[in-house]
Amino acid sequence: NAGVTQTPKFQVLKTGQSMTLQCAQDMNHEYMSWYRQDPGMGLRLIHYSVGAGITDQGEVPNGYNVSRSTTEDFPLRLLSAAPSQTSVYFCASSYSQGTDTQYFGPGTRLTVL
Amino acid sequence: GESVGLHLPTLSVQEGDNSIINCAYSNSASDYFIWYKQESGKGPQFIIDIRSNMDKRQGQRVTVLLNKTVKHLSLQIAATQPGDSAVYFCAENGDDKIIFGKGTRLHILP
Repeated sequence: NAGVTQTPKFQVLKTGQSMTLQCAQDMNHEYMSWYRQDPGMGLRLIHYSVGAGITDQGEVPNGYNVSRSTTEDFPLRLLSAAPSQTSVYFCASSYSQGTDTQYFGPGTRLTVL
Repeated sequence: GESVGLHLPTLSVQEGDNSIINCAYSNSASDYFIWYKQESGKGPQFIIDIRSNMDKRQGQRVTVLLNKTVKHLSLQIAATQPGDSAVYFCAENGDDKIIFGKGTRLHILP
């Protein structure tokens, strides 16, 4: 198993540009989530999904959209990038919501100029 | 809500000594708690978890203690090794979301 994969590893955007961060898992996990991590801080939950077709907001959802059309994929979309969205983004998955080990991807480092 | 901070708390421990990392959680309804280890440039890695019906759980060289009365969680690492150097996060499952604490950097002294 590849586990949780994220692409790209690095990305630089200009303010106002849009892009999609990709996340995929091959472990047949129902629960997937996106976090952002800023320097010296913990991970903050952006959006999460408890299964295909179901998504919900986390702590810091503004400026981001998600969809979950398949069990495997959970893309994160930045609609109009802002410098405040410069961060490292982690995708995670687990068998079920909340009471199973979450497996994290390697992260995407995003810089918005 | 969270406070903004640029500096992680740091715990410096002599190699071979035991480390104790503490965490206060916020939601009294949380029923599942996890400790993660994050090495530089990598995603968080699961260490150990505990459910709210327990107050102690042991793994290999690690022990988690849960005190629900004061909403406090701790991670004990026995015989700390250089490979334990990392940032450690506690996380709680509350209201169907997993929320992370800010983290503690563990620094190993030779």
